[in-house]
Amino acid sequence: DIVMTQSPDSLAVSLGERATINCKSSQGVLCSSNNKNCLAWYQQKPGQPPKLLIYWASTRESGVPDRFSGSGSGTDFTLTIGSLQAEDVAVYYCQQYHSTPYTFGQGTKLEIK
Amino acid sequence: QVQVVESGGGVVQPGRSLRLSCAASGFIFSNYGMHWVRQAPGKGLEWVAVISYDGSNKYYADSVKGRFTISRDNSKNTLYMEMNSLRVEDTAVYYCARGGDLADYWGQGTLVTVSS
Repeated sequence: DIVMTQSPDSLAVSLGERATINCKSSQGVLCSSNNKNCLAWYQQKPGQPPKLLIYWASTRESGVPDRFSGSGSGTDFTLTIGSLQAEDVAVYYCQQYHSTPYTFGQGTKLEIK
Repeated sequence: QVQVVESGGGVVQPGRSLRLSCAASGFIFSNYGMHWVRQAPGKGLEWVAVISYDGSNKYYADSVKGRFTISRDNSKNTLYMEMNSLRVEDTAVYYCARGGDLADYWGQGTLVTVSS
């Protein structure tokens, strides 16, 4: 199984500042079908289901604000929130969809400092 | 608009069975694979199972393999999860999500509580 490890577990950032969340996979998640990394980022607010933010490691889902960006390759990936807004308070998860079981990271709780 | 709505959750004793359903609308259900993902109270997300668009391929997490069965009825636009030999550690909100690999649209979830 591919193990996904996020860091940090929690993060406090001031409004308007940048937030960076890291995700490391225990093996590469490059999908041979299209030579893209099968890595997604989700946002989950309290009492709500997860919402897809980023897929193929760096493609923003339709309707997601452009302050959210994804990067990385190989086994190291990053979600960056360029200028933190109050509504970005949530838990963020990375997930690999390269091979089953489609494992998630443990989550990173983002709060306002 | 794309919508998936889970139902069938509840309180059940250890060792008993339960069947979850997920009704899909707003997209061509028979064109998409579907997932079940669960979240124990206060915990992170755990992928449970996926089924291909036509039901011919199914994959499971080791934690549920042999106890849970994912299925679908494309004529009813509905996804199912038959859960047998339930354990206390199966207590969670169960989400269904659209997608054969990437899960893009998620339902609100249904709570399954396994307790004596």
